[in-house]
Amino acid sequence: GESVGLHLPTLSVQEGDNSIINCAYSNSASDYFIWYKQESGKGPQFIIDIRSNMDKRQGQRVTVLLNKTVKHLSLQIAATQPGDSAVYFCAETDANYGGSQGNLIFGKGTKLSVKP
Amino acid sequence: GAVVSQHPSWVICKSGTSVKIECRSLDFQATTMFWYRQFPKQSLMLMATSNEGSKATYEQGVEKDKFLINHASLTLSTLTVTSAHPEDSSFYICSAGLERGGNNEQFFGPGTRLTVL
Repeated sequence: GESVGLHLPTLSVQEGDNSIINCAYSNSASDYFIWYKQESGKGPQFIIDIRSNMDKRQGQRVTVLLNKTVKHLSLQIAATQPGDSAVYFCAETDANYGGSQGNLIFGKGTKLSVKP
Repeated sequence: GAVVSQHPSWVICKSGTSVKIECRSLDFQATTMFWYRQFPKQSLMLMATSNEGSKATYEQGVEKDKFLINHASLTLSTLTVTSAHPEDSSFYICSAGLERGGNNEQFFGPGTRLTVL
């Protein structure tokens, strides 16, 4: 979702429930997408990625879904745990990612709060 | 593998002074490093892309004379905030690019919290 002013969208879930975090990306030319987890006072941590030739990718307890038609990305976390509490960012980029011309564009972020 | 460190992790300085932040790739060589700035409750904003042995490429609106970037080796990039002011207080994060398994990836450092009094 989009933030208003300085307030991050917050998703509050009960421990053990599934979480779904959504992201709308901006560039139809983007072909590589990444979800990052950022804990307070730390740098972003890679969670999972997906290329535009896929619409779903699964990791351990996490699944990323990509809908290129509406430029929408989602992160699903199964059996959410208190340690999952953090801010989650989606990021998009193009084929030059990581090189001298490839930049990551970060979404606004969603704060996930897990209640024990 | 693919660990990136930053030093210092936090710094407090007086207005008008300059502060240098180091970004190191500890177990790989990075031709390209990136510097981001993150204000509270906001996303990461790319400031500049640093290429080893050449001048950095700055994003629109980022003053190159204020934020000096040096990438003297394949494992070290530095960001110097010159004549820092309170509005420069922020969380500065670097990342290092690495090609792995056919993909080019960015690995992020832990960030540096700068507070300018």
